[in-house]
Formats: sequence, structure tokens, C-alpha cells
Amino acid sequence: QKEVEQNSGPLSVPEGAIASLNCTYSDRGSQSFFWYRQYSGKSPELIMFIYSNGDKEDGRFTAQLNKASQYVSLLIRDSQPSDSATYLCAGFNTNAGKSTFGDGTTLTVKP
Amino acid sequence: EAGVAQSPRYKIIEKRQSVAFWCNPISGHATLYWYQQILGQGPKLLIQFQNNGVVDDSQLPKDRFSAERLKGVDSTLKIQPAKLEDSAVYLCASSFGQAGGYTFGSGTRLTVV
Repeated sequence: QKEVEQNSGPLSVPEGAIASLNCTYSDRGSQSFFWYRQYSGKSPELIMFIYSNGDKEDGRFTAQLNKASQYVSLLIRDSQPSDSATYLCAGFNTNAGKSTFGDGTTLTVKP
Repeated sequence: EAGVAQSPRYKIIEKRQSVAFWCNPISGHATLYWYQQILGQGPKLLIQFQNNGVVDDSQLPKDRFSAERLKGVDSTLKIQPAKLEDSAVYLCASSFGQAGGYTFGSGTRLTVV
């Protein structure tokens, strides 16, 4: 079992819809979680982080964390074609001082 | 602030040859990471430096990979000899502390033929 699991997709949503990206993790030492966006041929770019149970909103993005269920999600409201990318979930283990990445979910937003 | 600088952007080598990648992190970032990203997969940590000391190199294939971070600033990752399965993008990332949010460089795409 991988430490961080994501559905590989592809996930396709129409423009203006809500895209929901999910991530589960097995390392209970992971205390903080990060979402990175990676456009094709580019390097990952940090877009959101969350370390407390509940929701965290930043513009069109909402990160959700449920530590009891070991579940993290990213919601993208009013999806735009420019949101089409691979989204990487990463869990950060504070004791180890390092992040473990999932393999990413590819999102396509269709005009 | 200037981002994380990496070079070269692309490299094609034959198997059994050697190759080196260079990374200069964001000024003041004490923590530097080298990740390997194979197509279709997430980044996998190879080595982590805190200043010029190695924090974690448990996933580094030490029979062929080596890395150093002299003076706690820029870093070099070397592969010698390269294998076909080393074909990947090598990403350098840095962070101010060890809080988890990284800034990645543009990466080096290595093709071993």
C-alpha cells in the first residue's frame, strides 16, 4: 500500500462545475497536507496546505482534512480550462521532516 | 524573490555514462530536496539536506547516485553509471524550514538511451 493514494483519473468536469479531488494516507505521522498543481511538462506548484481538521478556503479552492478517516480532499469551484493539470497530494511527517507524494490525479476541465 | 534554479533543463546520455545536475535554492532556504519523478508518478524523495548536512538519503541508490551541498547553498546530484530506468525528471526543491511547503525548480529531464 502506498503511503499516499490518489485516483489517477483522468477526472473530467465541464467548465463552471466543481471538481473534487481525493487523497487518502496511511502514515499517521503525517500532520500537514499539501496540494500541488503540475501542468504538463512543468514542475509542481504549491497551491494549498492544511493541517487542522475541517475546511480551509482560498479563493476557488477548498481543502478538507479528516484525520480520523485519514482523508484529504481538494475542491475547485467554478472550474476553468486553466485548472486542467495534475494535482498532487502530499503528506508531511513532522518527525521525519519530509513529504510523501501521491501519484496525482489528472483533471481536465472542458469548455 | 528568485526561484529555485536548476540546470541543465534537458540531458540525453547513453547508459553507463555519468551525468550531473545542479541546483541553487531560494536564498535563505536551509532545506534542500532532490526528488525523482518518473512519468505518470509522483515525486519520490532521493535526498534531503538541512544546510550542508544530509538529513535523509534512505531512498538514494548509493551505488550509483551521489549528492553534495557544499557550504549549505547550492547542490549537485550525480549519477554514475546511468541505467535506462534512471530516465526521469529530477526536481530540486527548497524550503525555509521543515514545515512542508516546497518551492520546486523547473527540473532536469534526463533520458538514458
